[in-house]
Amino acid sequence: GAVVSQHPSWVICKSGTSVKIECRSLDFQATTMFWYRQFPKQSLMLMATSNEGSKATYEQGVEKDKFLINHASLTLSTLTVTSAHPEDSSFYICSASRRGSYEQYFGPGTRLTVT
Amino acid sequence: LAKTTQPISMDSYEGQEVNITCSHNNIATNDYITWYQQFPSQGPRFIIQGYKTKVTNEVASLFIPADRKSSTLSLPRVSLSDTAVYYCLVGENTGGFKTIFGAGTRLFVKA
Repeated sequence: GAVVSQHPSWVICKSGTSVKIECRSLDFQATTMFWYRQFPKQSLMLMATSNEGSKATYEQGVEKDKFLINHASLTLSTLTVTSAHPEDSSFYICSASRRGSYEQYFGPGTRLTVT
Repeated sequence: LAKTTQPISMDSYEGQEVNITCSHNNIATNDYITWYQQFPSQGPRFIIQGYKTKVTNEVASLFIPADRKSSTLSLPRVSLSDTAVYYCLVGENTGGFKTIFGAGTRLFVKA
């Protein structure tokens, strides 16, 4: 149980276009979802925390207008990278937790390459 | 959120026990200690969590001294497949607590 999926697993897009990444909790209801970004050989950097039905809380330095997060249901959160640029190329990982549980369940990640 | 400090990397050989220590001097009363494992191009995987003393599961043990200012993840008899990055995190034990990842420890297991 407690499986989190991400789609797509990898994506290549051209500079200036927007890309949407989905994060789904497959067998549980995720009251909170997190989005992380990870550059090669570096640790995960928390981008934002999203609670179902409310606006996401962004970490300092993360542009909310560029990284649009929607958590419309208890099983789905989306991250849209708007007007992507090569510096946005990274590994994006989501995680989900359920009410009353301490554990975060991580998705497999999405590799974004902007050309 | 309490900051954590871990060794950047460690080497070991197959069959050995590996102990990775994490310092968290500013840990708060409500904070729990959680360890994750990450393989390249994959999301982190939960290993173990504890509050104090010792916790053991099927893959690891977690030792936490009385002052809780540090913790040690113990991996018994490591294999090549245990080569990964191990992260120590400290945070409240409530659903959805914010998680800040430190640099992690890169463990290399050699044959």
